[in-house]
Formats: sequence, C-alpha cells, structure tokens
Amino acid sequence: GAVVSQHPSWVICKSGTSVKIECRSLDFQATTMFWYRQFPKQSLMLMATSNEGSKATYEQGVEKDKFLINHASLTLSTLTVTSAHPEDSSFYICSALRDYGYTFGSGTRLTVV
Amino acid sequence: GQQVMQIPQYQHVQEGEDFTTYCNSSTTLSNIQWYKQRPGGHPVFLIQLVKSGEVKKQKRLTFQFGEAKKNSSLHITATQTTDVGTYFCAGVSGGYQKVTFGIGTKLQVIP
Repeated sequence: GAVVSQHPSWVICKSGTSVKIECRSLDFQATTMFWYRQFPKQSLMLMATSNEGSKATYEQGVEKDKFLINHASLTLSTLTVTSAHPEDSSFYICSALRDYGYTFGSGTRLTVV
Repeated sequence: GQQVMQIPQYQHVQEGEDFTTYCNSSTTLSNIQWYKQRPGGHPVFLIQLVKSGEVKKQKRLTFQFGEAKKNSSLHITATQTTDVGTYFCAGVSGGYQKVTFGIGTKLQVIP
C-alpha cells in the first residue's frame, strides 16, 4: 500500500538554527502533500498544503517565512523550520491523499533547546 | 470555518467493555474518515464513509455516518488492550476537500 516516508524521526536543535524535514511518497506520486503540527494531547492542525511545482498554501496564522515548504518533485516535499525557537518544539507530520484516505508519514519530533 | 467536535476526549474502559466516540461537524461533509494513532506513533487510516447513513464494520469496529452527513461515530465492541490509542475523525468538505480533524478520543483499556 501507499507509503509515505518522513525523515528525520526526531531532531534536537539549538535555538536560532534551521531544521529541514523531508516527506517522500515511496510508491506513488503525490502532487499534493499536507503538513500538520500536533502539540501534546492535541489534534492535528493543518499548517499548509504543499503543491508540486507551485507555492504552498498556508493556513491562517502560519508564518510562511518561518515554515518554508518546497515541493520540487512528485515524490518529495520538505518543510524547513527557520530560526527555530523553543515554542516551535512539536510533532510535525506530513500526509498525502490517496483514493481511500490520507497516508501519513511517521512524523518528526522537533525539540528546540 | 468548519469545526469538527469530537467527544469524549478521554475514555477508560475495562477490557471487554464497549467503547464509542462521536464526531459532529458544523457543516455538511462530503465524507468522513477515521484514524487511529498509537502512543508515540502516527495516525493510521482506518476507514472512509461517504454515503448518508452509511454503516461499515471492521471486525469489532463499527463506523456510522449520519443521515445529514454531519455526524459520525466509531463503536468498538468488547475492547482489547490492542485497541489502546487515540482515535481521530477527520471531516472532509468543500471544493478543495479541506480536512478538519477532531481533537481525538484517547482510549485506555484496563486489563
């Protein structure tokens, strides 16, 4: 079945640095991928919709310059958290839509110290 | 904007008891999906309901979609410890198929 690979699974970075998270569709082409953020004991909040070959669509309240999304190919979308701060610490997860629902990556736990 | 309310947020049950989680949308949905997230894991797709009044079963899990396509439920019969996790509903609506997740119901099963 459809597999979405997300890397890294976890990352610890210093405040002020940038972190890149990759999301790959392994056995299908995904023209659209979605990036979510999940705080502890909370639901998934859509951050942005990543479209291959065009600009991402960001949800209200999500800073475009802070969360850079690139979807350069049909199998790869990246989310870069720029100038990370402790409040950016969270669980970030990508997904792609298939015929039968969304397939999620395994998620990335980001801790900014 | 679209809101999807999900209750309860937490549920503890004795192994063997039944469990139900409910979702209610502020708008009519084109479809609703259910996901299970194990502790420390990522959401895994369970099922999609599309038709008004639809009922689907997966072994001990029964999923229902309301007649008005605004509410849904997931019922687990005779829970097992393997059912532990958080169950999310996700309402899909609009021309852009916008997805809104419920807050999730965290199920704990006491052996």
